Amino acid sequence: DIVMTQSPDSLAVSLGERATINCKSSQSVLYTANNQNYLTWYQQKPGQPPKLLIYWASTRESGVPDRFSGSGSGTDFTLTISSLQAEDVAVYYCHQYYSTPHTFGQGTKLEIK
Amino acid sequence: EVQLVESGGGLVQPGRSLRLSCAASGFIFDDFAMHWVRQAPGKGLEWVAGISWHSETIVYGHSVKGRFTISRDNAKNSLYLQMNSLRDEDTALYYCVKDSGATPTGYFDPWGQGTLVTVSS
Repeated sequence: DIVMTQSPDSLAVSLGERATINCKSSQSVLYTANNQNYLTWYQQKPGQPPKLLIYWASTRESGVPDRFSGSGSGTDFTLTISSLQAEDVAVYYCHQYYSTPHTFGQGTKLEIK
Repeated sequence: EVQLVESGGGLVQPGRSLRLSCAASGFIFDDFAMHWVRQAPGKGLEWVAGISWHSETIVYGHSVKGRFTISRDNAKNSLYLQMNSLRDEDTALYYCVKDSGATPTGYFDPWGQGTLVTVSS
């Protein structure tokens, strides 16, 4: 199974500042045949289901603000929020769909400093 | 608009069974794989099972394999999860999730609101 490890577990950032969340996979999730990284980021606000933010490691879902961006390849990935807004308070999860079983990172709780 | 509405959750004793349902609308149901993902209270996400568009591929997470059965009825636009031999650790909010493609190997979007399963004596 591919183990997904996020860092940090929690993060407090001031409004308007940059937030960076990391995700590391225990093996590469890059499929060389199509040069795609099978890595997704979700946002989960309290009392709500997860919401898709980023897929293929760096493709922003339609309607997601452009302050959210994803980067990385192979085993190391980053979700960046360029200018934190109050509505971004949530838990963020990475997810690999390179192989089954699908696995998630443990989550990173993002708060306002 | 895609909608996924779960039902069937509740309080059940250890060792008993429960069947969850998910009613899908707003998309061509039999074009997409589907999944169940669960979240224990205050915990992270755990993938439970996935099923391809015409049920030819079915995959399970390690913790439920042999106890849970995922199925679908494309004529009814419905997804199911039969849960047998339930354990305390199966207590969670169970989400119905649409895959991005026809096989259960894509990303998840969207997610239903979930149905709560509580296993307790």
